[in-house]
Amino acid sequence: AQSVTQLGSHVSVSEGALVLLRCNYSSSVPPYLFWYVQYPNQGLQLLLKYTTGATLVKGINGFEAEFKKSETSFHLTKPSAHMSDAAEYFCAVRDSGGYNKLIFGAGTRLAVHP
Amino acid sequence: GAGVSQTPSNKVTEKGKYVELRCDPISGHTALYWYRQSLGQGPEFLIYFQGTGAADDSGLPNDRFFAVRPEGSVSTLKIQRTERGDSAVYLCASSLAPTGQGQFFGPGTRLTVL
Repeated sequence: AQSVTQLGSHVSVSEGALVLLRCNYSSSVPPYLFWYVQYPNQGLQLLLKYTTGATLVKGINGFEAEFKKSETSFHLTKPSAHMSDAAEYFCAVRDSGGYNKLIFGAGTRLAVHP
Repeated sequence: GAGVSQTPSNKVTEKGKYVELRCDPISGHTALYWYRQSLGQGPEFLIYFQGTGAADDSGLPNDRFFAVRPEGSVSTLKIQRTERGDSAVYLCASSLAPTGQGQFFGPGTRLTVL
């Protein structure tokens, strides 16, 4: 069965510092991978996705992620954190069985302090 | 254009009551998904519609949960004989086609069963 593991339920960084949110997946087939962000009392917003092709994908708000098959990882990064980046971030993999459902990690809450 | 909308935004009910949660997807999106997000967890898949039919309902926890999408647009998630353990945020998402390009989420309905 596929699964997603997000290391670190809480991450705290200073404004202007590098953001690194970790995601590892397990999949029996080439994965489709996604990062979503959830602001308080809002729905999930797609940040970026990897399907095929270039392994470094760029998303909105300056975020990017790199698919590393050998490490089964899809870590999310941003060079310089902004206060508005404080939110919860979810990594997800498309289920290989039904080509429809997404399997999410437990999420990482990012705090940005001045 | 308008995103995915869900009503109500909050629903408080008593144990044993029946509730209906509504989802209005993005116009033209044929695929519709329901997820449930418990506190501190990532969303968990419930059911997927392609058009009017439920193509995958493997995530519904038991027969108290049912969902319909009679005209291939709006969907209603129905929960009978609610239990305190049903308390969660219920998220709806839609996409043009199965998840290759990512799903677009609504703001969710927070259900509280007293």
